[in-house]
Amino acid sequence: DTGVSQDPRHKITKRGQNVTFRCDPISEHNRLYWYRQTLGQGPEFLTYFQNEAQLEKSRLLSDRFSAERPKGSFSTLEIQRTEQGDSAMYLCASSFGGGRISYYGYTFGSGTRLTVV
Amino acid sequence: ELKVEQNPLFLSMQEGKNYTIYCNYSTTSDRLYWYRQDPGKSLESLFVLLSNGAVKQEGRLMASLDTKARLSTLHITAAVHDLSATYFCAVDMRRDTGNQFYFGTGTSLTVIP
Repeated sequence: DTGVSQDPRHKITKRGQNVTFRCDPISEHNRLYWYRQTLGQGPEFLTYFQNEAQLEKSRLLSDRFSAERPKGSFSTLEIQRTEQGDSAMYLCASSFGGGRISYYGYTFGSGTRLTVV
Repeated sequence: ELKVEQNPLFLSMQEGKNYTIYCNYSTTSDRLYWYRQDPGKSLESLFVLLSNGAVKQEGRLMASLDTKARLSTLHITAAVHDLSATYFCAVDMRRDTGNQFYFGTGTSLTVIP
């Protein structure tokens, strides 16, 4: 297991199209997070899964965004009817946690850079 | 809502010099992380600080945590060009549904020969 994998690395799409990103976490990690990072800013939390359950969603996650983690392994993030403001780097991270505690911090993937034209 | 502020936002320093980056946060937290990000790349974990008074060092970088002051510092000793990157601190907040990171604004470091 070589870490958190994200696919694709880059995506260019026309405004109004739908896009889907995939994240494969470290296999032993039960927690998976999605973050969005725009140029010159720190990552902003989007949503979080523990196993297959989506436990929290940020207010940044509009109705056009949906995330799934169907079997508690990989996750997908879909953006419908993309807008230019969706252009950003989408980062996935995973961790292992029990109860309220994450013991090992996060491991981030390489990210998917989305450009909406 | 938790706020995490870093300063400076931009730092240009000469090789061989020392400098400190500061990370202030607004709510009690016991865990703080430092990450490095190169342009167009993802985040690389540098340090995990788990308790008040924690100090970690790796090469020319040293991080410390003062939970009472809600302050962490990242000290750079004798900077070299390879340290040029953006550095983020992140506060680990325990919530009912699990942990969540809040990232600082980042400090863009450029080391000049």
